[in-house]
Amino acid sequence: SQQGEEDPQALSIQEGENATMNCSYKTSINNLQWYRQNSGRGLVHLILIRSNEREKHSGRLRVTLDTSKKSSSLLITASRAADTASYFCATEGGSYIPTFGRGTSLIVHP
Amino acid sequence: NAGVTQTPKFRVLKTGQSMTLLCAQDMNHEYMYWYRQDPGMGLRLIHYSVGEGTTAKGEVPDGYNVSRLKKQNFLLGLESAAPSQTSVYFCASRFLPGQVYEQYFGPGTRLTVT
Repeated sequence: SQQGEEDPQALSIQEGENATMNCSYKTSINNLQWYRQNSGRGLVHLILIRSNEREKHSGRLRVTLDTSKKSSSLLITASRAADTASYFCATEGGSYIPTFGRGTSLIVHP
Repeated sequence: NAGVTQTPKFRVLKTGQSMTLLCAQDMNHEYMYWYRQDPGMGLRLIHYSVGEGTTAKGEVPDGYNVSRLKKQNFLLGLESAAPSQTSVYFCASRFLPGQVYEQYFGPGTRLTVT
């Protein structure tokens, strides 16, 4: 069973706009990670946030974590066509075995 | 570093045939994982290994076997392929989860079972 569930399933925006995708989960976690997958490729790690952290930044990426609501959001600012990809959240509890959601498919139109 | 490599990249099998997928990493990672990815299902964990000589079942282990004889290699076997095993298979490795390191993924193997 998948722990994290991303929302929306699909997102279509124009270049320059911000993209926000969300991840909700059901049980307590030690950390949450976001990955990107370009079409036909493997996943690439973007950012990790620990359960005692509320916000992290990496370049144009901003991740928030609300453990009381069991949710996280990934914000990509000033989107580019190259950001077109699927984005997955992965949650980890005490076993350190990541559980992935179904992903959000992002299309950024030039 | 080559990172995580997977062999083969594509394969077509007939029902009942067997095959082995090879995953290799040159980063001295302890943990290795096999996932399958189906449309609309995200990634599901098949088996994983926490070190040389160890393996454990994941979420969807039925129909698959694995071996980790050497630290750098993690093999996934299908003894009698079924059409339900048509999928894209990804291998991943990780240094030491206790330190909360990220996973590194291979490029995937696209398997079709007819």
